[in-house]
Amino acid sequence: RKEVEQDPGPFNVPEGATVAFNCTYSNSASQSFFWYRQDCRKEPKLLMSVYSSGNEDGRFTAQLNRASQYISLLIRDSKLSDSATYLCVVNEGNTGKLIFGQGTTLQVKP
Amino acid sequence: ETGVTQTPRHLVMGMTNKKSLKCEQHLGHNAMYWYKQSAKKPLELMFVYSLEERVENNSVPSRFSPECPNSSHLFLHLHTLQPEDSALYLCASSQRRTQGAIYEQYFGPGTRLTVT
Repeated sequence: RKEVEQDPGPFNVPEGATVAFNCTYSNSASQSFFWYRQDCRKEPKLLMSVYSSGNEDGRFTAQLNRASQYISLLIRDSKLSDSATYLCVVNEGNTGKLIFGQGTTLQVKP
Repeated sequence: ETGVTQTPRHLVMGMTNKKSLKCEQHLGHNAMYWYKQSAKKPLELMFVYSLEERVENNSVPSRFSPECPNSSHLFLHLHTLQPEDSALYLCASSQRRTQGAIYEQYFGPGTRLTVT
C-alpha cells in the first residue's frame, strides 16, 4: 500500500463546478497534513494546512478524518486558474519527513 | 517570490561532469531539504538538514552529495551522473520543532537537470 494515495485523475470540470479530491494515508501516527498545488513545470506551493476540525479558505475546504486516515479537498465555483495538480502531503509519524502523494490533476474548462 | 532561491534553474551536464546545485532560504527556517521529482512520480525526499542533523534517504546513490554550511544555504554536489538522474531537483525549507507536528515546507523554483 502506498503511504499517501490519490486518484491521479485527470478531473475535467466546467467553470463554476464543485470538485472534490480525496487522499488516504497509511501511517496512523501522522500529525501534519497539507494540500499543495503544483502548476506545470513549477514548484509545489502550499495551498492550505489541514486541521482536525476541518478548515476553509475562500472557495477551498479541507477535511481530515483520522479514524479513516482520509483527507479531502473541496473546491467550489472552479476557476480556469484552478487548473493544476493538487498534492496531498502527510508527515511521516513524528519525523520531519513529508510524504507526497502522486497528485490529482484538475483541468477546468470554459 | 524570493523566500527560497535556487541556481541554476536549468543544467545540462555530461555523465563525466561535476556540478553543484545551490539553494538559499531567506525565511529564517532551521531545516532544509532536497527533493527529486521525476516525470509521473511523486516527490522523493533525498536529504534533510534539520536542527544541525543530517538525515538521508538510503536509496540515494553516492553520486549525490549534500552540503549544508549554515542554516540558510544548501548545496547538492553532482558527479558521474546517469541519464536516469535527469529530473527536477527541488529545495525546500521549513521551521522544525524537535518533536510533534511539523510546519509546512516552502519550495524553491527547482533546477531542471538533464544528463546527456
